[in-house]
Amino acid sequence: SQTIHQWPATLVQPVGSPLSLECTVEGTSNPNLYWYRQAAGRGLQLLFYSVGIGQISSEVPQNLSASRPQDRQFILSSKKLLLSDSGFYLCAWSVLAGTDTQYFGPGTRLTVL
Amino acid sequence: SQQGEEDPQALSIQEGENATMNCSYKTSINNLQWYRQNSGRGLVHLILIRSNEREKHSGRLRVTLDTSKKSSSLLITASRAADTASYFCATYTGGGNKLTFGTGTQLKVEL
Repeated sequence: SQTIHQWPATLVQPVGSPLSLECTVEGTSNPNLYWYRQAAGRGLQLLFYSVGIGQISSEVPQNLSASRPQDRQFILSSKKLLLSDSGFYLCAWSVLAGTDTQYFGPGTRLTVL
Repeated sequence: SQQGEEDPQALSIQEGENATMNCSYKTSINNLQWYRQNSGRGLVHLILIRSNEREKHSGRLRVTLDTSKKSSSLLITASRAADTASYFCATYTGGGNKLTFGTGTQLKVEL
């Protein structure tokens, strides 16, 4: 069966520090991968998606970047965190793009102080 | 406003009662999905209903879709305290990879 992992589960970082969140998927090949951010009490905002290694699409201009160095690894990064980067970050995968069910990881709670 | 908007924003019921949540959307869709999120956790897929379907069941869940009104409803029958969570509808927009979520309905089921 397929599983998706995210780490760390929680993170507290000072403003201006770098960020690296990792997501890995097991049990499937060539998944579509997604990064979302969820503000408190709100819906999800799609940040990035990837249909293959090295292929990243950005949905909104921001202080973050994403990379996919391996087929089942998706990394969310920042060189300098802002207060507004605080939130709940969720990684997800799907088999197909555009119509398919997405499967979510447990999320990372990021607090920027 | 967002592609998917849930109504009501919050719902509190007693265990054993039915809970109904509604979702409205704006553009044409291939399918509409419902997800559940327990507090501080990831989302869990509940059910997917295709644009050519009008009703779908899964256990205690019943989803309806009215494409003429661009709306969907999620009914949870005989609710349990464990159903306490936020529920989101989601649709793919513009034929792309973007799954757009509404702001969700927070359901609280009290004993």
